Amino acid sequence: GAVVSQHPSWVICKSGTSVKIECRSLDFQATTMFWYRQFPKQSLMLMATSNEGSKATYEQGVEKDKFLINHASLTLSTLTVTSAHPEDSSFYICSAPWGGETQYFGPGTRLLVL
Amino acid sequence: AQKITQTQPGMFVQEKEAVTLDCTYDTSDQSYGLFWYKQPSSGEMIFLIYQGSYDEQNATEGRYSLNFQKARKSANLVISASQLGDSAMYFCAMRGRSSNDYKLSFGAGTTVTVRA
Repeated sequence: GAVVSQHPSWVICKSGTSVKIECRSLDFQATTMFWYRQFPKQSLMLMATSNEGSKATYEQGVEKDKFLINHASLTLSTLTVTSAHPEDSSFYICSAPWGGETQYFGPGTRLLVL
Repeated sequence: AQKITQTQPGMFVQEKEAVTLDCTYDTSDQSYGLFWYKQPSSGEMIFLIYQGSYDEQNATEGRYSLNFQKARKSANLVISASQLGDSAMYFCAMRGRSSNDYKLSFGAGTTVTVRA
C-alpha cells in the first residue's frame, strides 16, 4: 500500500496562534488529498478536498478562512488552522487516493488549543 | 447523497472467535465502492478491504472478508480468528463513482474489544 505521513503528530498551542499541519505522500504523487476532522469516539468528518495547482474545495459549514489549505506540490498538502481556539482542538487526519480506488491515510495530528 | 449506517456502537468478542460487523448503505449511484478501515487507539486509519459494486465475488483479505449483499445494501465485515490486536474502532465507508472526487462517506464506527 501507499504511505502517507503527517507532521506534527501532536501539537499544543495557545489560543489565538496559528498551527500548520503537513500531509505528504511518500511514495506516490497525489493530485488530490483530503482533510478530515475527528472528535473523540466519533466518525471522520470531511473538511475539504485539497487540489494540486488549484483552490481547495471546502465542505458545507467549514470556514475556508479558518482552515487554510495549500497543495504546494504533488506530494504535499498543508492545513493551517488560523487563530486557533479551544473548540478547534481535535484530531486532524489527511488521506490520498492511490491505486484507483483506495484512500490511504496519514497517522493523524492531535491538536490541543489551550 | 450517500449514507452509511453502522448500528453496533460496540462489540465484545472472545479471542480466536469470529466477529461480524454490520454495515448498510444507501446510494443512488449505480456504481460504487465499499471500504472497511480499522482505527486503533493510536488514531491511524488502516485500510482493510475493498468491494466494488459490480464485483461478483465477495472480497477477502487474509482474516478479513466482506459479506456483500447488494440487494439488501449491506456490506458486513467478518473478522475470523480474532486476535487481541484486533481491538480497535472499525469504520465502513463508501465512495460513489458518479464523480471523480474520490470522496468517502463514513459510518459512525463500531468499537471491537477482543477478550483473552
